[in-house]
Amino acid sequence: DTEVTQTPKHLVMGMTNKKSLKCEQHMGHRAMYWYKQKAKKPPELMFVYSYEKLSINESVPSRFSPECPNSSLLNLHLHALQPEDSALYLCASSHAFPWGRQDEQYFGPGTRLTVT
Amino acid sequence: DQQVKQNSPSLSVQEGRISILNCDYTNSMFDYFLWYKKYPAEGPTFLISISSIKDKNEDGRFTVFLNKSAKHLSLHIVPSQPGDSAVYFCAARIRTASKLTFGTGTRLQVTL
Repeated sequence: DTEVTQTPKHLVMGMTNKKSLKCEQHMGHRAMYWYKQKAKKPPELMFVYSYEKLSINESVPSRFSPECPNSSLLNLHLHALQPEDSALYLCASSHAFPWGRQDEQYFGPGTRLTVT
Repeated sequence: DQQVKQNSPSLSVQEGRISILNCDYTNSMFDYFLWYKKYPAEGPTFLISISSIKDKNEDGRFTVFLNKSAKHLSLHIVPSQPGDSAVYFCAARIRTASKLTFGTGTRLQVTL
């Protein structure tokens, strides 16, 4: 099973709403990632969790709050977002350091977020 | 500061011919490189990778070449098939770090 699942597929929210994006993998990976991708741009890293601990925060605004409740799940809590936060939010997972082999990140299909 | 660049935003190739997608990088600390393929409304799918200790890695129709002195890598797809039509991203990483830096992508169109 090399699948990373993300829910919901689409989300429309107002600027005062609170919502959460969910990501799940069952590949035994201990590193999980959130990326943001705007149209015609490459994915941009937001957060990395390694062994359920936040290891990288790429200076993301606090209106995005990640959570890793266990080794299979990754959440992204959203609050007071702006219209410019509308994007495709991608979750990925991989083996964590130290890697036993050359390793790659597996991506989920993404959540298309629209902030109105 | 774009550390990984794909200078061709699009490429059109006839079915059965070779597709060559190029990628340049500036950070000499990068030592692991990957290619991803992305269809619309889907997440990127891993294709092939190469470590800096190699100059070539082959997997079926896909071959990645790495020229470290030129800080250049390329992905060859042969023969190209219509199903290969997608956006291709190259990505780079420092081996002991988890962060992937993506290029801007090249849209490949394989025509009949």
